[in-house]
Amino acid sequence: EAGVAQSPRYKIIEKRQSVAFWCNPISGHATLYWYQQILGQGPKLLIQFQNNGVVDDSQLPKDRFSAERLKGVDSTLKIQPAKLEDSAVYLCASRRQGPGETQYFGPGTRLLVL
Amino acid sequence: AQKVTQAQTEISVVEKEDVTLDCVYETRDTTYYLFWYKQPPSGELVFLIRRNSFDEQNEISGRYSWNFQKSTSSFNFTITASQVVDSAVYFCALRALIQGAQKLVFGQGTRLTINP
Repeated sequence: EAGVAQSPRYKIIEKRQSVAFWCNPISGHATLYWYQQILGQGPKLLIQFQNNGVVDDSQLPKDRFSAERLKGVDSTLKIQPAKLEDSAVYLCASRRQGPGETQYFGPGTRLLVL
Repeated sequence: AQKVTQAQTEISVVEKEDVTLDCVYETRDTTYYLFWYKQPPSGELVFLIRRNSFDEQNEISGRYSWNFQKSTSSFNFTITASQVVDSAVYFCALRALIQGAQKLVFGQGTRLTINP
């Protein structure tokens, strides 16, 4: 079974520029997550989708971050405009429905904002 | 509060030593799940184990073992005969109900370095 795919793996941009990340979850996984992981910290949940609906986006900075999962499969996360403090690894994860199911993570996108 | 504490920020041992990574959690839920993930330098979070709150049986998988004790709210992870390839950051996580949704709460992670 293929794992969670993410692209790009690395991105360097200047502050105030825009950037987008893409995630393709494991086939059949209805739930998709985006996390932000700042160096030296654990992942922080940004947004959770169930199929194509948002379940939780309480920690998403909505003035600059947006995410969509239009067809309930792959997803994009956008930052516009980027700030220096957005430098982090952005992790996508997916899991099957069910409270005990495991989240599987993708390789992440390392973003550096200069 | 739903919280995970990994008090050990960094551990460094010599190859073949045994090492235990501590994890203490807080939750109000009676049903919850605990996880361990490994994050090697490549950055991907690799799933190691899942344990539900009703199953306190300890588990062994090769050189890895986990000790779950509800009485002390701990879920510790032991690597026996450590190897250089075990070097990584290890995260303990709790899935619990937060603001009406099931969420995964991570500890700060423990950076493990195995020296040859």
